[in-house]
Amino acid sequence: QVQLQESGPGLVKPSETLSLTCTVSGDSINNYYWTWIRQPPGKGLEWIGYVYYSGSTNYNPSLKSRVTISVDRSTKQFSLKLNSVTAADTAVYYCARDNSGYYHLDDWGQGTLVTVSS
Amino acid sequence: DVQMTQSPSFVSASVGDRVTITCRASQGINSWLAWYQQKPGKAPKLLIFAASSLRSGVPSRFSGSRSGTDFTLTITSLQPEDFATYYCQQTNSFPPTFGQGTKLDIK
Repeated sequence: QVQLQESGPGLVKPSETLSLTCTVSGDSINNYYWTWIRQPPGKGLEWIGYVYYSGSTNYNPSLKSRVTISVDRSTKQFSLKLNSVTAADTAVYYCARDNSGYYHLDDWGQGTLVTVSS
Repeated sequence: DVQMTQSPSFVSASVGDRVTITCRASQGINSWLAWYQQKPGKAPKLLIFAASSLRSGVPSRFSGSRSGTDFTLTITSLQPEDFATYYCQQTNSFPPTFGQGTKLDIK
């Protein structure tokens, strides 16, 4: 059974870059779409983007200018970078697996809260 | 973006009740809709995809249906572990978008 674990700083300063990593265990990283989703405190869910195991990506147009998602198959990790952050980027960030490429998320990490504040 | 509107936003029910949650899409999305359950402090869990396909391991008291651009999640015979927030997600149009959530709590 696949397990996903997010890691990274819980506090980021405004205008800086948010960087998170998701480590995959219990299954191969190949042939899946590795996705980031976020949820501001007390609010709903926002799909950020995915990276296919081959390295191809697809990003939400609302964030595309600030987002980079990459994969490292050798370490079974994928990463999120969001630059020029503001308080509006404060959220719980989840990594997840899309098994089919049809955008529904089959498996999720536990989530990590990232707060943007000086 | 396709807007997903869930109703109601809050619903109270008792163990053993039947509950229905609705999600309406702002435009046609065929049957490309998923339902998730989220408990406080936890990640969402996929329940249903393609409007009515139950994910393996999800209890059969959960079911989904579609009528045009209206989608319904039905939970029959509520169990204590079903009290949570439920989200719909359209996966037909890019970017995929979620409803605002429906919180189901104990009456």
